[in-house]
Amino acid sequence: DVKVTQSSRYLVKRTGEKVFLECVQDMDHENMFWYRQDPGLGLRLIYFSYDVKMKEKGDIPEGYSVSREKKERFSLILESASTNQTSMYLCASMFRYEQYFGPGTRLTVT
Amino acid sequence: AQSVAQPEDQVNVAEGNPLTVKCTYSVSGNPYLFWYVQYPNRGLQFLLKYITGDNLVKGSYGFEAEFNKSQTSFHLKKPSALVSDSALYFCAVRVLYKLSFGAGTTVTVRA
Repeated sequence: DVKVTQSSRYLVKRTGEKVFLECVQDMDHENMFWYRQDPGLGLRLIYFSYDVKMKEKGDIPEGYSVSREKKERFSLILESASTNQTSMYLCASMFRYEQYFGPGTRLTVT
Repeated sequence: AQSVAQPEDQVNVAEGNPLTVKCTYSVSGNPYLFWYVQYPNRGLQFLLKYITGDNLVKGSYGFEAEFNKSQTSFHLKKPSALVSDSALYFCAVRVLYKLSFGAGTTVTVRA
């Protein structure tokens, strides 16, 4: 089975802090994604990566950056966390047509 | 813009009754359509997909979906709902190699 893991299930950070969310997949997938999920808005794509060191902006990249130094790991970085970044963050990897999701990180910024 | 719409925020059904969750899409070209389910405090799980071929697609947990090109719909169905089907359901359409998701439909199945 494909396994996508995320470093934390719950995270509480203060406004202005730099926040790192880590995602690891064990199936050698080339494509990886970061989404945020908010009630009534579904999932919105923040960034995705189609290979090591390659990235593209999604629909809502403002306030975020990403890093992909190894194929299995895709990190989401909040340079200076703000309260409007309080959300559920979901990582996914993709093989052919299917995306496989991690369990999510619920981030609260106070 | 290519997108999907889920017109119902919530669907409530009694256990044993048929369950339908609606999805309509707007894409140029042939659509690749997906359904995912999310149980409380969990990530999304893949249910089924339509790429090409038979309009009736069967997926996990007894779910199926019917692709209707003329109505641009891809409704999710289950003939007999279970209490354990209570969850949040998302329809999605593939745009290049990204997925565009609907807002989600919360399904509650009462015993």
